[in-house]
Amino acid sequence: DGGITQSPKYLFRKEGQNVTLSCEQNLNHDAMYWYRQDPGQGLRLIYYSQIVNDFQKGDIAEGYSVSREKKESFPLTVTSAQKNPTAFYLCASSSRDRGLDGNTEAFFGQGTRLTVV
Amino acid sequence: KNQVEQSPQSLIILEGKNCTLQCNYTVSPFSNLRWYKQDTGRGPVSLTIMTFSENTKSNGRYTATLDADTKQSSLHITASQLSDSASYICVVSSYNQGGKLIFGQGTELSVKP
Repeated sequence: DGGITQSPKYLFRKEGQNVTLSCEQNLNHDAMYWYRQDPGQGLRLIYYSQIVNDFQKGDIAEGYSVSREKKESFPLTVTSAQKNPTAFYLCASSSRDRGLDGNTEAFFGQGTRLTVV
Repeated sequence: KNQVEQSPQSLIILEGKNCTLQCNYTVSPFSNLRWYKQDTGRGPVSLTIMTFSENTKSNGRYTATLDADTKQSSLHITASQLSDSASYICVVSSYNQGGKLIFGQGTELSVKP
């Protein structure tokens, strides 16, 4: 059963704590992404990785960290430095675009809702 | 700056009616454009994906169009159903950014009985 799996579905964090969100894919995709979604807003890119052991900051990387030690896994850590971490977090993966005829598909996990208590 | 703008922000229609959602983008160089459907509290699911050489693509009652010259796309939903109530997101990819996806803010569609 191929796909992209995020866990947990719901996560509660106390202020000052770090938490790690899991994202695993068995689609053999090179690229993986983390997005944050807030009510009434579009998805905003936190980090992305195009290859193992390499990742790039997205538009809102402050207060977050990632690792890409394996092709299948791209965990996201929400650190205590993130001032407003309550949000819906989405992980996605895709094969890399291959030029103007690129027709890559991107698949999303079902999301993790993080709440700070 | 690479941007994707969608309109309207929200839309309410009656069951059985048709509707059209709009997407304008400034992403360059353009690789492909996707439409996703996102149910509340779930991850987005792909509806269509089009490259610059395609100007229309259908998926059941969903038909997407693309005008690469004017950098506009539309998603037409025919004979709407209550289950079509969701957020519809336009996403554009630029081939020289390693497949990085640029998202619109979405159109919230509500289909009423």
